[in-house]
Amino acid sequence: SAVISQKPSRDICQRGTSLTIQCQVDSQVTMMFWYRQQPGQSLTLIATANQGSEATYESGFVIDKFPISRPNLTFSTLTVSNMSPEDSSIYLCSVVGPTNTGELFFGEGSRLTVL
Amino acid sequence: AQSVTQLDSQVPVFEEAPVELRCNYSSSVSVYLFWYVQYPNQGLQLLLKYLSGSTLVESINGFEAEFNKSQTSFHLRKPSVHISDTAEYFCAVKRANFGNEKLTFGTGTRLTIIP
Repeated sequence: SAVISQKPSRDICQRGTSLTIQCQVDSQVTMMFWYRQQPGQSLTLIATANQGSEATYESGFVIDKFPISRPNLTFSTLTVSNMSPEDSSIYLCSVVGPTNTGELFFGEGSRLTVL
Repeated sequence: AQSVTQLDSQVPVFEEAPVELRCNYSSSVSVYLFWYVQYPNQGLQLLLKYLSGSTLVESINGFEAEFNKSQTSFHLRKPSVHISDTAEYFCAVKRANFGNEKLTFGTGTRLTIIP
C-alpha cells in the first residue's frame, strides 16, 4: 500500500482567499488524483496530475480555480482559488497502488470550511 | 463511460443483524469493482475488490461482496454487524486493465448500527 500525507488536515478560510493543499506520498507514483467530497456527497474527481505535464481536469473544473502542481513523483499540490462557501468540502489526494491493480489509496483529506 | 448506482442512501440495522448494501454498475467493457469505507472524520479505506477470478470476495472484517455480471451488481453483505461498522460505504468502478485510470464512485450508503 501507499502512505499519503495531506496538509492541512482542516482549515477555516475567508471568502475570496486561496488555500494550497499539499499531498506527499511515501513512494514514487505516476499519477495522482484529486477528489472533492462536498458535505454529505460522494467523491467527484477534480483532476489527474501527472509528473512533468499539465493536469487533466474533469468537466466542471478549471485550472484557474483549481491550479495543480506536480513537481516530482512523490508530491503534488492543489490550490483552491478565490474561495466561496460553495468550496467548503473535503479535498482528497489519491494514488494508484504499487501493484497497479486498480485500487486507489487515499490521504486523510483536507477539510475546508469557507466563511 | 462507467457509472455506479447505490440505491440506498441510508441503512439502519440492529446490532448482530445481517446487512446488504446494494451496488449496481453500468459499463460496456469489463470492469474492476471496489468497496471503500469511510469512518467518521476519516479518509477512505479499501474494504474489498473484484478484479477477476472468483466472483465472491471477502474482507478481513467479515464483509463479502459478490460480482454478478448478468445483473451488473456488486452487493456488499455481512451476516452480523457490529457497532464499529457504522460508517459510509462507497461502491466504485473502473475499466479493467486500465490501472492508472480514475475510479468512479457511487453516492454512498450510510450504515448506522442500532444497539
